[in-house]
Amino acid sequence: ELLLVESGGGLVQPGGSLRLSCAASGFTFSTYWMSWVRQAPGKGLEWLANINEDGSVKYYLGSVRGRFTISRDNAMNSLSLQMNNLRAEDTAIYYCVRKGLGDYWGQGTLVTVSS
Amino acid sequence: QSVLTQPPSVSAAPGQKVTISCSGNTPNIGNNPVSWYQQLPRTAPKLLIYDNDKRPSGSPDRFSGSKSGTSATLGITGLQTGDEADYYCGSWDNSLSVVVFGGGTRLTVL
Repeated sequence: ELLLVESGGGLVQPGGSLRLSCAASGFTFSTYWMSWVRQAPGKGLEWLANINEDGSVKYYLGSVRGRFTISRDNAMNSLSLQMNNLRAEDTAIYYCVRKGLGDYWGQGTLVTVSS
Repeated sequence: QSVLTQPPSVSAAPGQKVTISCSGNTPNIGNNPVSWYQQLPRTAPKLLIYDNDKRPSGSPDRFSGSKSGTSATLGITGLQTGDEADYYCGSWDNSLSVVVFGGGTRLTVL
C-alpha cells in the first residue's frame, strides 16, 4: 500500500523554525518528483515547492523562497521541508504529495504560527 | 487571487449532471495538462483526473475531464450525496515555474 505520512507539525512562535518530514512507503521513492502543498484554514490549496528524483532540481513558490527549503533522502525514503522565519500566514495543514501535480497525498500535518 | 479561476460553488440534484470550469492562461492550461482533485470534508485531497481526461484506478467513471485551449472542465454524472466536496483544478505554469491551483469549487447535492 502506498503511504505518505507527514510529521513535525505543531505550534511555533512568529519568527521561529520548524522541520516537517514525510515518510514514504509502498513505491520506489527515488524515481518520483515530490512536492509540498499547504492549505490554510478554510482556504484553498497552495503549492509550495517540489524536488526532482535525485534532489538536484528544486522549485519554490515566490512567497516562501529563501525561507523554506525542500530536501529528500532517497536512502531513507524521506522528504523534508525546513521552514524558517515563520509568519502567522504560514498557519496551515501541510501535505506531502507524490509528483508535481500530486497523484497521492499524505494526510497532512498542522502547523500553527502564533504567539 | 488564484491563477486558475473556478466558480466558488455549484449545485444540482441527486442523479443529475454538473460541470465545473477551470479557466487559465497559455503558460498553464494552454501548454500543460490539467489535474482535478476531490477534497471531502476534513480529508486530504484525492486525485480524480490527470492529464486532462484520464482517470486513475479507483476513480469512478462518473467523473470525466476535458480541456480546450486555456480552459478545462470537470464533469460529474449521476450525482450522489457522497459527491459533496470541494473540487480543485491544477496545472504547471511555465512562466511562474510553479504548480497553480484553482480557488476550489464547493459542490452541493441538493
